[in-house]
Amino acid sequence: GNSVTQMEGPVTLSEEAFLTINCTYTATGYPSLFWYVQYPGEGLQLLLKATKADDKGSNKGFEATYRKETTSFHLEKGSVQVSDSAVYFCALRSYNFNKFYFGSGTKLNVKP
Amino acid sequence: DAGVTQSPTHLIKTRGQQVTLRCSPISGHKSVSWYQQVLGQGPQFIFQYYEKEERGRGNFPDRFSARQFPNYSSELNVNALLLGDSALYLCASSLGQERLATDTQYFGPGTRLTVL
Repeated sequence: GNSVTQMEGPVTLSEEAFLTINCTYTATGYPSLFWYVQYPGEGLQLLLKATKADDKGSNKGFEATYRKETTSFHLEKGSVQVSDSAVYFCALRSYNFNKFYFGSGTKLNVKP
Repeated sequence: DAGVTQSPTHLIKTRGQQVTLRCSPISGHKSVSWYQQVLGQGPQFIFQYYEKEERGRGNFPDRFSARQFPNYSSELNVNALLLGDSALYLCASSLGQERLATDTQYFGPGTRLTVL
């Protein structure tokens, strides 16, 4: 079956620190992978995506690379800001495009 | 352009009642998906509809049903409510292009359902 596992939070970092949020997946076929972000009091927003192996998604300084050999899609940012404080969700869309699976979310707190 | 809209924002029901949640997709989007997000967890996929037909279904009981209208808006119905149905119900819309890997979902703000 399909599933997504991401590291538990909360993750607390100081401003300008390096961020990694781990995400691994189990899937049939070749899924598409996504990172969504949920800021306090707001809805889910797409952060970045990758649709095939070795693709790198990037947006707002965040990056993630679709690693088929390790079934991973880790989220990274070189220098976090206080405004990056939010809950981050890793997600998978099945190869036949009709089902979606989300991880449990990782809360990031960035302190000034 | 307006984003995905959902109504109502909040809803309180008692066990055994029925509820209908509504979603209007972004203009031009033909696909709508529904998710349940329990506090502290990630969204769980319930349904996807495209061109008024069900395209995908998650592991939810038959008490959950949905439909999509000719204008691509959608309703999610839940019968015989249980305490465990208390959650944020999210609607997402996308262009729904068949087998297009780049099809992106855009989420609405959600409806907070509380079952007492």
